[in-house]
Amino acid sequence: GAVVSQHPSWVICKSGTSVKIECRSLDFQATTMFWYRQFPKQSLMLMATSNEGSKATYEQGVEKDKFLINHASLTLSTLTVTSAHPEDSSFYICSASASGGLAKNIQYFGAGTRLSVL
Amino acid sequence: DQQVKQNSPSLSVQEGRISILNCDYTNSMFDYFLWYKKYPAEGPTFLISISSIKDKNEDGRFTVFLNKSAKHLSLHIVPSQPGDSAVYFCAASAPYQFYFGTGTSLTVIP
Repeated sequence: GAVVSQHPSWVICKSGTSVKIECRSLDFQATTMFWYRQFPKQSLMLMATSNEGSKATYEQGVEKDKFLINHASLTLSTLTVTSAHPEDSSFYICSASASGGLAKNIQYFGAGTRLSVL
Repeated sequence: DQQVKQNSPSLSVQEGRISILNCDYTNSMFDYFLWYKKYPAEGPTFLISISSIKDKNEDGRFTVFLNKSAKHLSLHIVPSQPGDSAVYFCAASAPYQFYFGTGTSLTVIP
């Protein structure tokens, strides 16, 4: 089956620094990628939806300037947490889907990235 | 290693009948379980959840059952409606862990 690789799996950073998380589709072209944030004992919160080559669509309440999403190619999307603060510490998960081929209309999830901001 | 498994890739049910979707997990540390519904070309939408301290949670036509000893959860939809036709994912979480099953495609036949 299709694989989505998310990197890094765990990152620790100092408050005020920026962190980039990568999400790659390894064997299919991901026309759409989604970024989620997990809060303890809650459902995943959809942060934004990005389509290759266009600006991401952010969910209400998600700061666009804080969480920069780039989907420059059909196999890579990145989430950059800018000027991270301790309250940004969380578990971030990406997923990818394609409009055709193996991953058509199926969503594949990355393993997640644990962000710890000191 | 698949920590959350949905062994039935598809299920067909007559309208008005009960739909039962099953999910098994392997990690006893999971403390929160969720079901998502997904339509084609959209992200999954949250449906219902259950904490590990409970064995049943009900919301309208949807009920989730958790059997911790068997590491098994199920989603019951009663009565099933054609609009329920979608792919259903179960998920399990623990601190800094979140795993989805592979999904079960439900078709409700009018």
